[in-house]
Amino acid sequence: QKEVEQDPGPLSVPEGAIVSLNCTYSNSAFQYFMWYRQYSRKGPELLMYTYSSGNKEDGRFTAQVDKSSKYISLFIRDSQPSDSATYLCATNVQGAQKLVFGQGTRLTINP
Amino acid sequence: NAGVMQNPRHLVRRRGQEARLRCSPMKGHSHVYWYRQLPEEGLKFMVYLQKENIIDESGMPKERFSAEFPKEGPSILRIQQVVRGDSAAYFCASSPDLFREQYFGPGTRLTVT
Repeated sequence: QKEVEQDPGPLSVPEGAIVSLNCTYSNSAFQYFMWYRQYSRKGPELLMYTYSSGNKEDGRFTAQVDKSSKYISLFIRDSQPSDSATYLCATNVQGAQKLVFGQGTRLTINP
Repeated sequence: NAGVMQNPRHLVRRRGQEARLRCSPMKGHSHVYWYRQLPEEGLKFMVYLQKENIIDESGMPKERFSAEFPKEGPSILRIQQVVRGDSAAYFCASSPDLFREQYFGPGTRLTVT
């Protein structure tokens, strides 16, 4: 079993839709949670960084963490074609610096 | 403020040759991490370094791979006697402190022929 599970998709939605991206994890010691966006043949770009359970909002992006269910989500409102990319969730254990990544979900926003 | 810089961006090596990948962290960042992304797979941690010290190399293959982050200059990931299975994208990330967000570079795409 992978430590972080993420549906690879692909996921295709129309422009303007609300997108929901999800990951589950198995290790209850994971404390920090991140979402990265990766365009094709580029490096991952940090979108959201959270520590506690609950929601964190930044513009059109909302990250949600539910530690009791070991479930993390990223919501994108008013999706744009420029949001088309692969989205990676990542987490790490407090006291350890290495990030554990999900496989990534490939998202396409259709104009 | 320049981001994490990696070079070369593309590297082609024949089987048995050595590959050297360089990473300059963001200004003010003293923590460097290397990750590998195989085709159709997620990013896998390889090694975490601070200046002149390897802190965690639990993701490094036991043979042929080494990393350093000298007092002066960039961090180097070295792969000796490359094989086809080493073909991948290698990403470097840096952070300003412990338990802080990691910022990634553009990656080096290694192709072994």
